[in-house]
Amino acid sequence: SQQGEEDPQALSIQEGENATMNCSYKTSINNLQWYRQNSGRGLVHLILIRSNEREKHSGRLRVTLDTSKKSSSLLITASRAADTASYFCATVEADNFNKFYFGSGTKLNVKP
Amino acid sequence: SQTIHQWPATLVQPVGSPLSLECTVEGTSNPNLYWYRQAAGRGLQLLFYSVGIGQISSEVPQNLSASRPQDRQFILSSKKLLLSDSGFYLCAWSGLGVNEQYFGPGTRLTVT
Repeated sequence: SQQGEEDPQALSIQEGENATMNCSYKTSINNLQWYRQNSGRGLVHLILIRSNEREKHSGRLRVTLDTSKKSSSLLITASRAADTASYFCATVEADNFNKFYFGSGTKLNVKP
Repeated sequence: SQTIHQWPATLVQPVGSPLSLECTVEGTSNPNLYWYRQAAGRGLQLLFYSVGIGQISSEVPQNLSASRPQDRQFILSSKKLLLSDSGFYLCAWSGLGVNEQYFGPGTRLTVT
């Protein structure tokens, strides 16, 4: 399976701390994306990083991509209670842009 | 702006009964459409995707089927539900090329 795997499965931090989540995948990709899911809701796109990029920023989010290690990390700085959610990475195949493969997710709990 | 609708929001069905879940997209033309299933506390499993009317690609062989009778309508069906069909079903769309996906609010299906 090409599905990514997130690590850790669960993360609990205090408000104001940084949260780091990792994603590993298996095959060649065109891009990797991170999504957020609040409990019982649909997913919301956060950020996309292409295979020829190494780092990308969006507000309090920082994503890195290491294609040699087939891994990515998502850093949320200065976390807030409202960041409590599950975070998923999704990979898009290099030879089929229509296929998105989601990982199992990291459940983040930010305590106020 | 684009919006995506799914209904119903929740559904309780007995084993062996049929299923029809509908997804519609507004505000865009010729979207790629996707059906995912999410088991409790797990990641998303890609079930079907469609790049055009009548074009369906199946990712997982099972007792589910999908149809796209109109450009912005995607339907997930089953003739006879199994207990293992329980889960959270998410519809999503993406634009041409390698773009992010936009998710609907989901349908929670419980097969009893």
